[in-house]
Amino acid sequence: AQKVTQAQTEISVVEKEDVTLDCVYETRDTTYYLFWYKQPPSGELVFLIRRNSFDEQNEISGRYSWNFQKSTSSFNFTITASQVVDSAVYFCALSEMPDSWGKLQFGAGTQVVVTP
Amino acid sequence: SAVISQKPSRDICQRGTSLTIQCQVDSQVTMMFWYRQQPGQSLTLIATANQGSEATYESGFVIDKFPISRPNLTFSTLTVSNMSPEDSSIYLCSVDEQERTNYGYTFGSGTRLTVV
Repeated sequence: AQKVTQAQTEISVVEKEDVTLDCVYETRDTTYYLFWYKQPPSGELVFLIRRNSFDEQNEISGRYSWNFQKSTSSFNFTITASQVVDSAVYFCALSEMPDSWGKLQFGAGTQVVVTP
Repeated sequence: SAVISQKPSRDICQRGTSLTIQCQVDSQVTMMFWYRQQPGQSLTLIATANQGSEATYESGFVIDKFPISRPNLTFSTLTVSNMSPEDSSIYLCSVDEQERTNYGYTFGSGTRLTVV
């Protein structure tokens, strides 16, 4: 069963618009980590954020912000004032503890297209 | 973060042949991981490689098809054996940097494999 669901396949926005990427996860573990990665057209995976299950504080890093809500099993990602360089595929991932230590389970990814 | 050098970056191979992908890390790491990303798809873990022990394979992946070596704490190889066009994918190695505060898993730049 899919443990990480990214329901949005593709989102297209015009530069300077905000874009929110949804991520819903499923786990029975009380200890787990959630991640977001960016994969630009060049193909490399760029780490954006890690959040553990005991830290529900929202986080902001520049134009990026994350909203973690355990009550709804969601870890959403918002890009504020999008730029063309934000065009990429964004993956949400889950790492469960301890049995699945090291195993990242990725969502299907959301393609973000930012046009000038 | 750790710097991962992955070689080759891309290759076009004939069906029935084998390709060995190398992953070199600039620091010692306990766990290394190999992922496959089929065209337009998400990432799937192939196996976990620990130094001094047999690699642990995920469901659907077998050692005969994807033999892995881990001779030391900074290096690993993945071989894709007896290739078919269905093996055309991006293969990525990854290391665990979760001991570093607020960090996650770092990925190599990937090997883009096309089997003809």
